[in-house]
Amino acid sequence: AQSVSQHNHHVILSEAASLELGCNYSYGGTVNLFWYVQYPGQHLQLLLKYFSGDPLVKGIKGFEAEFIKSKFSFNLRKPSVQWSDTAEYFCAVNAPGSARQLTFGSGTQLTVLP
Amino acid sequence: ETGVTQTPRHLVMGMTNKKSLKCEQHLGHNAMYWYKQSAKKPLELMFVYSLEERVENNSVPSRFSPECPNSSHLFLHLHTLQPEDSALYLCASSSLPGSSGNTIYFGEGSWLTVV
Repeated sequence: AQSVSQHNHHVILSEAASLELGCNYSYGGTVNLFWYVQYPGQHLQLLLKYFSGDPLVKGIKGFEAEFIKSKFSFNLRKPSVQWSDTAEYFCAVNAPGSARQLTFGSGTQLTVLP
Repeated sequence: ETGVTQTPRHLVMGMTNKKSLKCEQHLGHNAMYWYKQSAKKPLELMFVYSLEERVENNSVPSRFSPECPNSSHLFLHLHTLQPEDSALYLCASSSLPGSSGNTIYFGEGSWLTVV
């Protein structure tokens, strides 16, 4: 069975600081990887995804993530955060062979101070 | 606007009540899902329907009963719930599970409080 770990439960940054949120997964085969964001009071939105190809994936709103297969990691990054990035961020993984099972991490709450 | 619409957005029910959550997707997808989101816990997959057939049930108590009358609609019937069932219930949809590039799209959720 696959699992996802997000080690940072709550991250607090000032505006313009750089962001990196950790995500590690456990699964022995090929995986699809996702980052979802949930702004306060809103639905889960897809931020970016990796299926294959270039391991550095660029998403919406200046976010990017790098898939490092040897480390089973898919960390989310943004060079300069804004107050509007305050939200909860979820890493998720599924295996193409059983793509119905999207497994989520427990989430990281990001608070950006103005 | 997500393409996945859930009603009601908020529901308060007693432990002896019977209520239903409704989900409708306008994305032309063939798979629909129910997830449960509780505080401080990862999202939990409850049920998966693929082409209107239930293909996954993750050990969910029988007081939760899903129904998928067609590929655009999904219901979650609730009966004799417990206070610990209070949570945000998320509906989602995707193209057929197993297809490459499968991305899941979520609705805004239904906040359920059991009193």
